[in-house]
Amino acid sequence: DAGVIQSPRHEVTEMGQEVTLRCKPISGHNSLFWYRQTMMRGLELLIYFNNNVPIDDSGMPEDRFSAKMPNASFSTLKIQPSEPRDSAVYFCASSRVDNEQFFGPGTRLTVL
Amino acid sequence: AQSVTQLGSHVSVSEGALVLLRCNYSSSVPPYLFWYVQYPNQGLQLLLKYTSAATLVKGINGFEAEFKKSETSFHLTKPSAHMSDAAEYFCAVSPTSYDKVIFGPGTSLSVIP
Repeated sequence: DAGVIQSPRHEVTEMGQEVTLRCKPISGHNSLFWYRQTMMRGLELLIYFNNNVPIDDSGMPEDRFSAKMPNASFSTLKIQPSEPRDSAVYFCASSRVDNEQFFGPGTRLTVL
Repeated sequence: AQSVTQLGSHVSVSEGALVLLRCNYSSSVPPYLFWYVQYPNQGLQLLLKYTSAATLVKGINGFEAEFKKSETSFHLTKPSAHMSDAAEYFCAVSPTSYDKVIFGPGTSLSVIP
């Protein structure tokens, strides 16, 4: 299996622009998680889905952030409009049983 | 509510020395416990997990952790540190097999030659 796939790996954009991060979970996994990692705040859970349904989005910072999972093999995290404080590494992870999560390589976002 | 504390944001050990990374959790029910490792510029990778079976759990790369209910601890150990063990280590807890996982703040391990 190819593991969790994230794209792009790096994104540099200007403040105010829309950013879309993409994730393909491992086939057969029924839960998907979006995390944000920064030096200041560590690893934060933004939102997670179970069977494509959002279960907990309490970690989503504000209305500028939105996430979708239209099917079992694809999810997006969108930031509109982006701000410099959104600069971070965003991870996607998927799991099947016992909460053993498999993480993708991350997307490093820089908002200028 | 579940929570995880990791004592020491940074730990340094000499190559060949014992590695001990501390983790304490709070949980109202017997938890699922995990240790993850993150190498530079990579995602997190599962080292080991406790799911109410044996209290001493063996993981990859020679690491192991012991679940101690009376101390609400799940410390990670390795008898002999290797240079390749230098990374960030995260302890995590979940109350069930289907709830979200709560990660600790992480401990950065440095290995001195």
